[in-house]
Amino acid sequence: GQQVMQIPQYQHVQEGEDFTTYCNSSTTLSNIQWYKQRPGGHPVFLIQLVKSGEVKKQKRLTFQFGEAKKNSSLHITATQTTDVGTYFCAGRGSGYSTLTFGKGTMLLVSP
Amino acid sequence: DTGVSQDPRHKITKRGQNVTFRCDPISEHNRLYWYRQTLGQGPEFLTYFQNEAQLEKSRLLSNRFSAERPKGSFSTLEIQRTEQGDSAMYLCASSLLGEGNNSPLHFGNGTRLTVT
Repeated sequence: GQQVMQIPQYQHVQEGEDFTTYCNSSTTLSNIQWYKQRPGGHPVFLIQLVKSGEVKKQKRLTFQFGEAKKNSSLHITATQTTDVGTYFCAGRGSGYSTLTFGKGTMLLVSP
Repeated sequence: DTGVSQDPRHKITKRGQNVTFRCDPISEHNRLYWYRQTLGQGPEFLTYFQNEAQLEKSRLLSNRFSAERPKGSFSTLEIQRTEQGDSAMYLCASSLLGEGNNSPLHFGNGTRLTVT
């Protein structure tokens, strides 16, 4: 079955430092979505990438979809304490209607 | 948009008992999903509905689990003869079928199940 892997599992940074999480799929994806889950909360949709090589930005967040549509990354520039949470990628394979989530990367930001 | 609503928020039950959870999706959303999440893990897909039809179930899903969406609106997830391994957060999400399969999921706050 489809598997989605994320690294690192956990990262602790000082406020102002950059952060990157990487997502790799065992199969080619039709699209990939990113979600953020705050401690004690539920996953909240951030963005979706569909096209090979696509890059999207949301303020300090930059999302990339690999050329082969099997990997993706999320980069946060100059982290803030409000960025704390777990970031999940979720991939949808061709012909599938369901999303497979990675295990997530937990980000802790110290002031 | 009142969001996805789940009830109850917490459920503590003894091993062997049956439990039922309810999910009310965003009203205009025609797709409804059930996921399970344990500590340190991502949401694990259980099943999903398009309107009242259950279109997919995880192969890992035990036959003790059953879900319904009788009128294409709210859904229930029942777990029979609960086991300690069923302890988890059960998340419901809904989406609107759009172009292809690109719709984002809107999650509820979940039902936390503890089996003692």
